[in-house]
Amino acid sequence: DAGITQSPRYKITETGRQVTLMCHQTWSHSYMFWYRQDLGHGLRLIYYSAAADITDKGEVPDGYVVSRSKTENFPLTLESATRSQTSVYFCASSEPRGHSSYEQYFGPGTRLTVT
Amino acid sequence: DAKTTQPPSMDCAEGRAANLPCNHSTISGNEYVYWYRQIHSQGPQYIIHGLKNNETNEMASLIITEDRKSSTLILPHATLRDTAVYYCIVRVALGTSYDKVIFGPGTSLSVIP
Repeated sequence: DAGITQSPRYKITETGRQVTLMCHQTWSHSYMFWYRQDLGHGLRLIYYSAAADITDKGEVPDGYVVSRSKTENFPLTLESATRSQTSVYFCASSEPRGHSSYEQYFGPGTRLTVT
Repeated sequence: DAKTTQPPSMDCAEGRAANLPCNHSTISGNEYVYWYRQIHSQGPQYIIHGLKNNETNEMASLIITEDRKSSTLILPHATLRDTAVYYCIVRVALGTSYDKVIFGPGTSLSVIP
């Protein structure tokens, strides 16, 4: 039972470079999410997807691009990395279950450092 | 979405029950109370959720007051592995807007030997 995985787990990149963080889930959940977590800010939603080819912005989408061509994958791309994007990134997935459906399952996180 | 208020930190003796409170006085009738926890350096983990009835699962119990303005997460026999940050959030059912999801600072629970 692989669940939800993220790669890479750690990444160091330079300012201005493009970086893609991968997220893969094996449950066929409809919804997938990307969060970032910074000290003093808790978890903030970047983008989410309700199904393949359907994505929408969260609280802090600027500087990020997402795609979802397959249900199980939800990559997050930083088009031109900046130091302010140094953070821990978490991917999550969820499947509506009747009347309540905010039960999300999180990946282990990717620690990104932009120098 | 309703805002939640939690104490920033709590201590609990190992083997004792940990009772984590959450205030959500502006909760709407269609909003559920969810609890997550995050152990250091790991992704958040779903614990339990409820609407108005008390709920119990293998991890914890959730007690929601009759007026739904507050709730308590109970870890019946806390262990050292329960040391984590616990988040209380309120949300409507999936399919509505996600753009204001806020986990907040949560309660940092320390289980003491």
